Amino acid sequence: GENVEQHPSTLSVQEGDSAVIKCTYSDSASNYFPWYKQELGKRPQLIIDIRSNVGEKKDQRIAVTLNKTAKHFSLHITETQPEDSAVYFCAASGAGANNLFFGTGTRLTVIP
Amino acid sequence: DGGITQSPKYLFRKEGQNVTLSCEQNLNHDAMYWYRQDPGQGLRLIYYSQIVNDFQKGDIAEGYSVSREKKESFPLTVTSAQKNPTAFYLCASSTSGGTQPQHFGDGTRLSIL
Repeated sequence: GENVEQHPSTLSVQEGDSAVIKCTYSDSASNYFPWYKQELGKRPQLIIDIRSNVGEKKDQRIAVTLNKTAKHFSLHITETQPEDSAVYFCAASGAGANNLFFGTGTRLTVIP
Repeated sequence: DGGITQSPKYLFRKEGQNVTLSCEQNLNHDAMYWYRQDPGQGLRLIYYSQIVNDFQKGDIAEGYSVSREKKESFPLTVTSAQKNPTAFYLCASSTSGGTQPQHFGDGTRLSIL
């Protein structure tokens, strides 16, 4: 089955700096890669996703890049703000899979 | 307002007791999922269902049971066989399969009395 690894497990940045979280996956057939943000005690919420037919996708301060050859994808947050502080999860899935495979999460802290 | 509703928000279980967590969705999604989240940890899949009257075990199904009698409902029972049930339980749904976004409920926090 699919195995998703996520790094780093914790990340602290100064407000206004950029943050990058990286994930690798094992199954070359995976073709869907969402990112979720979970604030303390709340539900995970989808913030951006990418499919394997594109290499990059942006939504305001958030971007995701995908390298199919190396089997890794990354979340980039620019101009970080205190409200970006949360746990971020990556996930992967492919055709024939009935569920998402989640990474172990990254706790991002933005220091004002 | 469309979404996923989990109840109760907090639940306490006595030793030897079975408890049932409710999950209802009005998104007309075919697939539903249950995850367990321990403090500071990731999401571990307990059970999932792609269609009514069918469900599959996830990575940590022991001590849990589910049913899917209606499309909109996917209750999870934590049985007395689950010796360490204290955790945050999240229900999710998606239109179909694994390559669609999953939408999560607000979760149920289960504790042992």
